[in-house]
Amino acid sequence: EDQVTQSPEALRLQEGESSSLNCSYTVSGLRGLFWYRQDPGKGPEFLFTLYSAGEEKEKERLKATLTKKESFLHITAPKPEDSATYLCAVQADVGGSNYKLTFGKGTLLTVNP
Amino acid sequence: DAGITQSPRHKVTETGTPVTLRCHQTENHRYMYWYRQDPGHGLRLIHYSYGVKDTDKGEVSDGYSVSRSKTEDFLLTLESATSSQTSVYFCAIRGRKGSYNEQFFGPGTRLTVL
Repeated sequence: EDQVTQSPEALRLQEGESSSLNCSYTVSGLRGLFWYRQDPGKGPEFLFTLYSAGEEKEKERLKATLTKKESFLHITAPKPEDSATYLCAVQADVGGSNYKLTFGKGTLLTVNP
Repeated sequence: DAGITQSPRHKVTETGTPVTLRCHQTENHRYMYWYRQDPGHGLRLIHYSYGVKDTDKGEVSDGYSVSRSKTEDFLLTLESATSSQTSVYFCAIRGRKGSYNEQFFGPGTRLTVL
C-alpha cells in the first residue's frame, strides 16, 4: 500500500525565515511525486511534479527536490502570502493505476509579517 | 479553476436522504476523480472515471456511487447520507494541455449531513 507522510504538521515562520517541508513516501515504483498548495476554502492548486531522484523544480520562492525516499519543499525568504497548506502526493508506476494519487495529510504553513 | 465547476458549493441535508454532487468540466478530459477531504485524513479517493461509462472504486467508496454518461459531467451520489459523510468533496481532472500526470482540482463542495 502506498503511503505518504508529511512533516511537520504545522510550521510557523517569520517573514524572511527560510525553512523546508518534508514528504516521505513508500510506493511500489514511483511514477511521479506532486506538490500542491491549498488555501482555506479552495481546491488544491498544482505546484510541481518530480519524476526521478535528483530532480529539482523551482517557482518563485519555492524549490522542490526529490530523493528515492523523500521530497523536500524549500521555502526561501517566505512572505505572508505563502501561508497555506502544502500537500504532497505520489503516483505509483503500476499497470492499471489509472494515474491515481495518494496524498499526505499536509503541512500548514503560517508566515507572520 | 475556470475549467472545472462543482455544484452545489454548499449543501446541508439530513441523515437518510439521497444527495448528488456534480462535477462539470469544459476541457474534454478523459480522466475525472472524486475525493473527500477531512481533518486528520487528507484527501482520499472515492471513485474515478477513465471515460464515459467507465468508472472504478477508490479507497473510500463504501456508501457512494458515481455515473458518467457524458464526458463533461461526473456525478457523485450518496444513496442514503450519513453523518460520517459530512466532508468537503473535490473533483479533479487529469490531462490538461501542457501536463500529463498532474491532476487539477475544482473549488469543492462542502456537505453537512445532520
